[in-house]
Amino acid sequence: AQTVTQSQPEMSVQEAETVTLSCTYDTSESNYYLFWYKQPPSRQMILVIRQEAYKQQNATENRFSVNFQKAAKSFSLKISDSQLGDTAMYFCAFMKHRAAGNKLTFGGGTRVLVKP
Amino acid sequence: EAGVAQSPRYKIIEKRQSVAFWCNPISGHATLYWYQQILGQGPKLLIQFQNNGVVDDSQLPKDRFSAERLKGVDSTLKIQPAKLEDSAVYLCASSLFSRTKETQYFGPGTRLLVL
Repeated sequence: AQTVTQSQPEMSVQEAETVTLSCTYDTSESNYYLFWYKQPPSRQMILVIRQEAYKQQNATENRFSVNFQKAAKSFSLKISDSQLGDTAMYFCAFMKHRAAGNKLTFGGGTRVLVKP
Repeated sequence: EAGVAQSPRYKIIEKRQSVAFWCNPISGHATLYWYQQILGQGPKLLIQFQNNGVVDDSQLPKDRFSAERLKGVDSTLKIQPAKLEDSAVYLCASSLFSRTKETQYFGPGTRLLVL
């Protein structure tokens, strides 16, 4: 079974600064997908960024980028130029690459607080 | 495009009572998921439907939880009888088709408190 670990329960950052969230995972699969989801206080989960394990290039989405280290099974998220609207819970998630069924396995989450 | 709809948003019940949650996925999404999110934890998959068939219900406590997706559109998740440990947010998500690994879109969730 896959496990996803987020070792930082909470992080705070000043507006316009950069913050990096850590995520490690354990799997015997060679092909898989990794995700970062954001869950603001309203509780609607929103996809932030996605990475396919077979791609060596790190994914980026505007101010969000990842550092994917497959050998180390590490998948960190960097939020640049932090904005007040980035305040939320952030979840790292894993999905196997298989023909049917694409369950997301989530980590425990990191609460990010952006301070003005 | 309308998002995933869920109702009710909040529910408070006594233990041993029954409760039902409803989910309407994004139009055209064949795959529907129910996740349970206990306070302070990440969501955990309870059941996954592909159209009206069950793909994965390995973590569904079948002695008290049941789910159905009639006609491959709306879905209902039921708990009978509820226990204190069922207090959680129940999230519904949908995606276009499982084999293409499409993004899962989440609803706002139903917050359940069992007293």
